[in-house]
Amino acid sequence: QVQLQESGPGLVKPSETLSLTCTVSGGSINNYYWSWIRQPPGKGLEWIGYIYYSGSTNYNPSLKSRVTISVDTSNNHFSLKLTSVTAADTAVYYCARHGKEWGFDYWGQGTLVTVSS
Amino acid sequence: SYVLTQPPSVSVAPGKTARITCGGNNIGYKSVHWYQQKPGQAPVLVIYYDKDRPSEISERFSGSNSGNTATLTISRVEAGDEADYYCQVWDYSSDHVVFGGGTKLTVL
Repeated sequence: QVQLQESGPGLVKPSETLSLTCTVSGGSINNYYWSWIRQPPGKGLEWIGYIYYSGSTNYNPSLKSRVTISVDTSNNHFSLKLTSVTAADTAVYYCARHGKEWGFDYWGQGTLVTVSS
Repeated sequence: SYVLTQPPSVSVAPGKTARITCGGNNIGYKSVHWYQQKPGQAPVLVIYYDKDRPSEISERFSGSNSGNTATLTISRVEAGDEADYYCQVWDYSSDHVVFGGGTKLTVL
């Protein structure tokens, strides 16, 4: 059974960089797309971006200038960096596995990141 | 960019049928996926490829997609179906993932 687990600081100061890692267990990171999705308190899901196992990436245009997603296939994890954060970036951040056609079949439990001084 | 439109809320009595729509330009040509999210939990895939169900999902959940509207149908609604539901597609023109705004299903 594939499992995803997000890890990283739960509190980030304004203007600093949010960094999260998603560790994949029970399956290989190869041959899939891996996304970061976030959900501000009381709001809907927002796709942040994805990385293919080969390293190619694509980002939500609204966040593209601040986002970097990377993958470490040797250690079966991928990571998110979001720079210059503000209070508007406070959200539960999820990592998830998907394909182009079959949707998101495995999700992490989510981690709350609060941006505050 | 591609936009998916969902009604903010749908209400249904127990035992009745709930229909949640997802509108998009020519969405009938895309594969639509649906997720159920209960408070404090991660979303769960309930329908993929417009109408297929993961094995662990109740057969009361079904999907359809045609023209400019995709629909998630929940038959014989139970109190445990109360949740937020999101539709999602892959936009091939940009290779972006797109989510609908979500619909809160209330069981009366």
